[in-house]
Amino acid sequence: DIVMTQSPDSLAVSLGERATINCKSSQSVLYSSNNKNYLGWYQQKPGQPPKLLIYWASTRESGVPDRFSGSGSGTDFTLTISSLQAEDVAVYYCQQYYSTLPITFGQGTRLEIK
Amino acid sequence: QVQLRESGPGLVKPSQTLSLTCTVSGGSIRSGGHYWSWIRQHPEKGLEWIGFIYYSGSTDYNPSLKSRVTISVDTSQNQFSLKVSSVTAADTAVYYCARGPAPTHYFDYWGQGTLVTVSS
Repeated sequence: DIVMTQSPDSLAVSLGERATINCKSSQSVLYSSNNKNYLGWYQQKPGQPPKLLIYWASTRESGVPDRFSGSGSGTDFTLTISSLQAEDVAVYYCQQYYSTLPITFGQGTRLEIK
Repeated sequence: QVQLRESGPGLVKPSQTLSLTCTVSGGSIRSGGHYWSWIRQHPEKGLEWIGFIYYSGSTDYNPSLKSRVTISVDTSQNQFSLKVSSVTAADTAVYYCARGPAPTHYFDYWGQGTLVTVSS
């Protein structure tokens, strides 16, 4: 299995400040033939399903505010919220889809307002 | 707008089979171009991918669950289904169905989820 490890487990950031969540995979999720990182980011609010924010490590899903951005390659990835809004309080997950044996998620990072 | 909706019993007895159905609206499973997955989330825990199916019926499963899981598709009803046999309390979770654009496996649309409790 490709193990996805997120850090930190929880994070408190002031409104308007930058929030950074890290995700590390136990092996590279960069597919050399197309130079794409098979890595996605999701936001989950209480009582709701996860919502896709980012795919291919840095491509923002349609409708996602541009304060959300993804970066990284190979085994190390970052989700950045440039200016935290109250509605961004949620749990964030990374997911690799490089291997389907199995598809795996990180353990989640809980983001709160300081 | 694509919508997915899970349905099925919310309570299953230990050792029995859990059965859920996902009904898709706003898009056709038969048209291809997407994988259709089941994902579960144990209470206050993270996400576990169970498996996916393509409109053709081809499947792939999480090796940790493969011996107990069957996913099937009914393109005439625009539905796909999940069966998990020999359930225990460890199978208590919120079960989600989700769509992924082929040939990739990220998930762009999700159902609201349904809680299944395994208890006698």
